[in-house]
Amino acid sequence: DSGVTQTPKHLITATGQRVTLRCSPRSGDLSVYWYQQSLDQGLQFLIQYYNGEERAKGNILERFSAQQFPDLHSELNLSSLELGDSALYFCASSGGQTNTGELFFGEGSRLTVL
Amino acid sequence: AQSVTQLDSQVPVFEEAPVELRCNYSSSVSVYLFWYVQYPNQGLQLLLKYLSGSTLVKGINGFEAEFNKSQTSFHLRKPSVHISDTAEYFCAVSHKLSFGGYQKVTFGTGTKLQVIP
Repeated sequence: DSGVTQTPKHLITATGQRVTLRCSPRSGDLSVYWYQQSLDQGLQFLIQYYNGEERAKGNILERFSAQQFPDLHSELNLSSLELGDSALYFCASSGGQTNTGELFFGEGSRLTVL
Repeated sequence: AQSVTQLDSQVPVFEEAPVELRCNYSSSVSVYLFWYVQYPNQGLQLLLKYLSGSTLVKGINGFEAEFNKSQTSFHLRKPSVHISDTAEYFCAVSHKLSFGGYQKVTFGTGTKLQVIP
């Protein structure tokens, strides 16, 4: 158990819809990272937050947005969903007392867009 | 800027044979190095890490990796693989911070290890 909790584990929705994925980092971790993993694109970095502020952006679409709340949990919002958004979305956290960049991953949220 | 290269996207190997998964990185500052493993239908988990000290680091499940600063490499090795080692392996780097703060982490594209019975 990594200590990172992601909900929901599975989500099936239709094109054009909007979903929210939630991540609770390990206790004490200040950084939250979001990744998208699909068969054709591999593991893609989306966005990173540190203590509530956006710190790095990767290949995140404009239809996607995220935020980190004061209690350090994070949400990834995906809107106007397309078939190609079907993927596994991972959240990871780091940044406890010994911040080496070691990431602790959640089990992922599997999104299926029909 | 830092980058990570895993040249081999797939590596098939027979059971009980040795394997080496290659990872090269580039960075203008000192780095920490990691290997993560992702078993089918699971999330990523840490296999081993190099922070400082001995350049040969040992991880879980009999894996080890050697940090080579001059060649900017961090190759992963196992002397004898098992069927259960079939998974995808990711190399990652983060740069050392001189003060507390956030870390930028860069992943390679992954290497799928297929162990053949």
